[in-house]
Amino acid sequence: QQQVKQSPQSLIVQKGGISIINCAYENTAFDYFPWYQQFPGKGPALLIAIRPDVSEKKEGRFTISFNKSAKQFSLHIMDSQPGDSATYFCAAPTYNAGNMLTFGGGTRLMVKP
Amino acid sequence: NAGVTQTPKFQVLKTGQSMTLQCAQDMNHNSMYWYRQDPGMGLRLIYYSASEGTTDKGEVPNGYNVSRLNKREFSLRLESAAPSQTSVYFCASSEGWGIYGYTFGSGTRLTVV
Repeated sequence: QQQVKQSPQSLIVQKGGISIINCAYENTAFDYFPWYQQFPGKGPALLIAIRPDVSEKKEGRFTISFNKSAKQFSLHIMDSQPGDSATYFCAAPTYNAGNMLTFGGGTRLMVKP
Repeated sequence: NAGVTQTPKFQVLKTGQSMTLQCAQDMNHNSMYWYRQDPGMGLRLIYYSASEGTTDKGEVPNGYNVSRLNKREFSLRLESAAPSQTSVYFCASSEGWGIYGYTFGSGTRLTVV
């Protein structure tokens, strides 16, 4: 069964700083790794995803870096803003069950003004 | 543009009581899922339905049952609630290969006393 380990559990960053969240997975039959963002009282929403035919994907201030040999991927938030304060989940396809995701434990990010 | 609608938003149950969490989506998605969210444990899959008429167990199915009533609706039933089922429950849906994008509802916060 797929396991996805996410760190840190919580993160405090000053406004303008860089937030970094890391994830490691065990196995996957499909190369697709999304990140979800969740605000308090809301459901998670897809933020950004990578298909590792590339090692990095950037969308605005959000960047995913992927290391296939190490089975690790990370989310970088550049110029972090208070509005980025949320819980972030990484996910990986459940091995041999392509239509499901296994999620990491989540990272609660707080960006201080 | 409702997306995924969950009811109720909040519920308090006594140990041993039963209840059904309702979920409906208006995006004509084939697959639907029930996850529970607990602090530090991320989102764990309870049950899923890859298509109308099919349901399968996820990672933590014990104590739960589901019904895929039609393509739109997927309900989760707790037959005899236990304090360990205190959690936030999320329903999600996806078109085809779910790994490419879940749409989540806003959740049901359930407390079992």
